[in-house]
Amino acid sequence: GEQVEQRPPHLSVREGDSAIIICTYTDSATAYFSWYKQEAGAGLQLLMSVLSNVDRKEEQGLTVLLNKKDKRLSLNLTAAHPGDSAVYFCAVRTGGYKVVFGSGTRLLVSP
Amino acid sequence: EAAVTQSPRSKVAVTGGKVTLSCHQTNNHDYMYWYRQDTGHGLRLIHYSYVADSTEKGDIPDGYKASRPSQENFSLILELASLSQTAVYFCASSPSQNTLYFGAGTRLSVL
Repeated sequence: GEQVEQRPPHLSVREGDSAIIICTYTDSATAYFSWYKQEAGAGLQLLMSVLSNVDRKEEQGLTVLLNKKDKRLSLNLTAAHPGDSAVYFCAVRTGGYKVVFGSGTRLLVSP
Repeated sequence: EAAVTQSPRSKVAVTGGKVTLSCHQTNNHDYMYWYRQDTGHGLRLIHYSYVADSTEKGDIPDGYKASRPSQENFSLILELASLSQTAVYFCASSPSQNTLYFGAGTRLSVL
């Protein structure tokens, strides 16, 4: 079945810097890609989603890139601020009902 | 806004005891999911359901049962709780298998 690897597990940046998180997946039939944010003690909240026919999507300081050839999905937080400190997860879905998550990246943005 | 409510928010159980985790959604979503979160493993799918009175096994169903008596309610049952089932459990609902709306989680400690 689908396997997702996410890196890095921990990321520390200064305020105003960019932070990049990468996921690789194995199933070329993967159709839907998402990024979620989990703040301390809370559930996951959707940040952004893209279909497999989209290479790039930008929203509110976030950029998602999808490279289907390399089976790689990335999330770029441009100009990170301390409020972005959280755990970030990628999630992918192939043709069925299951959504598979990456192992998470703990991002710390320091002032 | 999507509303998924989990109860209890935390629970301490004894080894060999029965544990029931409850999830209630007011989104009118067809799909519901139970995930388990362990440090370093991201979220792993235990059971899911796409219609009332029907449940499906996810990736790690052993030791867990699920029940979907109505569209709104989805329970996770541990008949004989074990130490290895100590984790944070998340319920989610979805209208389309793509975007998941998560509850706040249940922290389960089995002693």
